[in-house]
Formats: sequence, C-alpha cells, structure tokens
Amino acid sequence: DGGITQSPKYLFRKEGQNVTLSCEQNLNHDAMYWYRQDPGQGLRLIYYSQIVNDFQKGDIAEGYSVSREKKESFPLTVTSAQKNPTAFYLCASSRDRVRGEQYFGPGTRLTVT
Amino acid sequence: AQSVTQPDIHITVSEGASLELRCNYSYGATPYLFWYVQSPGQGLQLLLKYFSGDTLVQGIKGFEAEFKRSQSSFNLRKPSVHWSDAAEYFCAVGDTSGTYKYIFGTGTRLKVLA
Repeated sequence: DGGITQSPKYLFRKEGQNVTLSCEQNLNHDAMYWYRQDPGQGLRLIYYSQIVNDFQKGDIAEGYSVSREKKESFPLTVTSAQKNPTAFYLCASSRDRVRGEQYFGPGTRLTVT
Repeated sequence: AQSVTQPDIHITVSEGASLELRCNYSYGATPYLFWYVQSPGQGLQLLLKYFSGDTLVQGIKGFEAEFKRSQSSFNLRKPSVHWSDAAEYFCAVGDTSGTYKYIFGTGTRLKVLA
C-alpha cells in the first residue's frame, strides 16, 4: 500500500538536544511538507520541498532544519534553537504542488522537557 | 493576505441529525479549497476538494461542500451524522497565485451524541 510513514509516533527529548523526525513516502510524489499543529491553531507550515535537493522555508521555519536528498524522504530536525518545540508534527506530500491535494502521515508527537 | 476562518470551535449534534460546518476564506482570486478530517492523534484525511467547475462537490463518507463565491464560503455538509463522524474538521485554502501553499483554518471539533 502506498502512503506516508512517520516515525516514531511519540518522541521525548530533553531541552537543549536536537531531534530528527522521520518522514518517508512511497507515493512517488514530488512535493513534501512539514507542519506543526498546536491546539486551537490549526496547521502551520514549517518547510516544504518541491524536488530533491531543494526546499523552502514556510511560515515558522526558525529553529528547524530539513534535507531532501531522496525523493522518498524529508526528515525534519528540531534544533535546540526552537523555543517551544513540544507539538504534534505532521508530514505531507502531494503529486503536484499546483493542483495536487496533500496527503498526510500519521504524525509524531514530540515532547521536550 | 490569505486567511481561513472556521467560526465554530466546537459543534455538537445528535446522531442522525444533519450537519453543516462553516468555512470562510479571504483571497483575491478563486482558490483551491479543501476539507480534511482528523481523528485524535492521527493525521489528516482528505474529505473533498474544489478546484473549479461545479460548485457542489461530493466527497467521501457522505460529505459534500458548496463553494459560494459571493459569500467567500465553502461549507461542509452531511445529511445524517454517524457517531463515527466525531472528529476535528479542517478547511484549507490553496494559493493559486504562486506559492501554492495551503492555509488551514483552526478547525471545528465535532461531537456526536448517541
């Protein structure tokens, strides 16, 4: 079955540590996205990538970094510079960034203490 | 600037009753419009989408939505709600002018009474 996988489902880290969230898709989609979800705030775009080796900052990129070395993979690193990293993180992909709807993974809940 | 407003944070309906979730957007041109559903702790699932053409769109799980340009609205409807419809619903607008990014509303949480 085609889809998007995110791992792990739950992640716990101590403050000051960098942490990388995994996102893999086997849909052969060109575009991939990372969102952050906080209660009552909807989804906010962190980074997006339209093709391999290219990515753009979204609306809340500070304290995050990404890479896109393979079409299937778009990992997100939450750095120690992110002031409030505890949140639910969602990865998505789309076939066509112009007209393609986005498909979402199951999400990773990150808790930093 | 683009924006999406879902004015109802919570809605409670009885099973079997009809449902309408409101979505209003602010955008200079005709955007791409989407409705997604999210169960607790899960990702988002696409219910339906509007790009152009017929303003009444049918989606999965018996949902439909109507695009009304004059009201800048894209409300989601279902004639008879099932207990399994309890979830959070998000309206999203896709920018058609260049960035092609989505803007999401803040969501409406639906509770269904047995």
